Amino acid sequence: GAGVSQSPRYKVAKRGQDVALRCDPISGHVSLFWYQQALGQGPEFLTYFQNEAQLDKSGLPSDRFFAERPEGSVSTLKIQRTQQEDSAVYLCASSPWSRQGADGYTFGSGTRLTVV
Amino acid sequence: QQQVKQSPQSLIVQKGGISIINCAYENTAFDYFPWYQQFPGKGPALLIAIRPDVSEKKEGRFTISFNKSAKQFSLHIMDSQPGDSATYFCAVGSGRRGNMLTFGGGTRLMVKP
Repeated sequence: GAGVSQSPRYKVAKRGQDVALRCDPISGHVSLFWYQQALGQGPEFLTYFQNEAQLDKSGLPSDRFFAERPEGSVSTLKIQRTQQEDSAVYLCASSPWSRQGADGYTFGSGTRLTVV
Repeated sequence: QQQVKQSPQSLIVQKGGISIINCAYENTAFDYFPWYQQFPGKGPALLIAIRPDVSEKKEGRFTISFNKSAKQFSLHIMDSQPGDSATYFCAVGSGRRGNMLTFGGGTRLMVKP
């Protein structure tokens, strides 16, 4: 597709439920990022992949958060035992470059997760 | 620790006016300074970016001014239009951490017709 595709667009989870959020990056993009955006705030970095390798996961808030990109394209962000503080928009971005600063850093529209 | 401070939080400008949003950062290791525009229900979209080897960059109605010694940069939107009404985020990045970006808190801009 022409852009970064994320699914589902909206997810309502009961507290304690596990959720999986999917990101389809732009075809051929090497780098993939996950960000968390709380209401009224700027996005905050969660994790970064270069192809299938997870190079940086320093932003994952707890061991309940897990991300994978097994074949270097589609990525899944999994949150186990969801808590109310996990409610946010989860943004995925991809970039064609492995070096910093590429103008091709494209965000998807995000998945809005609401934990009730 | 808030690495990127953005101001103001909200801004109202008349159509045709100049919108100015400011950003300050702390870590001198940053070497990439983009501005993103975000509409409700959409992801952020890159507007314009600058590197520290230049003090100003202009693209159409959008200009970044960069002051390396003060560790500040700003976005100027000339001839602001109602369609510019959105939330704007500054960000900083460093090649030493891949393409990871640290964002400011955002500025909600409203341009009145």
